[in-house]
Amino acid sequence: SYELAQPPSVSVSPGQTARITCSGDALAKQYGNWYQQRPGQAPVLVIYKDRERPSGIPERFSGSGSGRTLTLTISGVQAEDEADYYCQSADNSGIFYVFGTGTQVTVL
Amino acid sequence: EVQLVQSGAEVKKPGESLKISCKGSGYSFTSYWIAWVRQMPGKGLEWMGIIYPGDSETRYSPSFQGQITISADKSISTAYLQWSSLKASDTAIYYCARKQAGEYYIDYWGQGTLVTVSS
Repeated sequence: SYELAQPPSVSVSPGQTARITCSGDALAKQYGNWYQQRPGQAPVLVIYKDRERPSGIPERFSGSGSGRTLTLTISGVQAEDEADYYCQSADNSGIFYVFGTGTQVTVL
Repeated sequence: EVQLVQSGAEVKKPGESLKISCKGSGYSFTSYWIAWVRQMPGKGLEWMGIIYPGDSETRYSPSFQGQITISADKSISTAYLQWSSLKASDTAIYYCARKQAGEYYIDYWGQGTLVTVSS
């Protein structure tokens, strides 16, 4: 199947580290990607191909992947990182694409 | 600068038809895929389908196959998403987004179009 599961919410204090996981069969065969969506805004790509960071994305955002699990790590969380985060992957044929269920990150 | 500019918000009645647009600029429109993504109120992102404007190859998510039509007019660098008969459950924000050929991630997003379907 091409479902990607994420925890509904993660809470973290400023300056601490937030880790968000994403799991699903698709990740065993294909890279995963992460998007940040702040309230009322369009999503923004923050990590692609498991661990690559687009230009302009702060270094505190990092990613890793192993087997069926993808992880987004935000080190030294800042108030502006409060947002929804979605993982995304696809099948190797490029026909089926799927988003994760989404994780709301709250900065305490 | 890469930009995807979507058409404005729409308010429609159930059963009506609708076509929304997404105009690309700042890059070669025919060399990248355009994806459409739905976000229902308070919910997550859903992949609807993609089109390659270079040759109009289109791929639909099984959940949306037969419910929508995706098209593109490369002469004006614009992609479209259309419905022939809207339902209240089509109320959502619809995003267009750019995907590189041979890659599996979206690098640029449009600002979104809010579609409200209500009697």
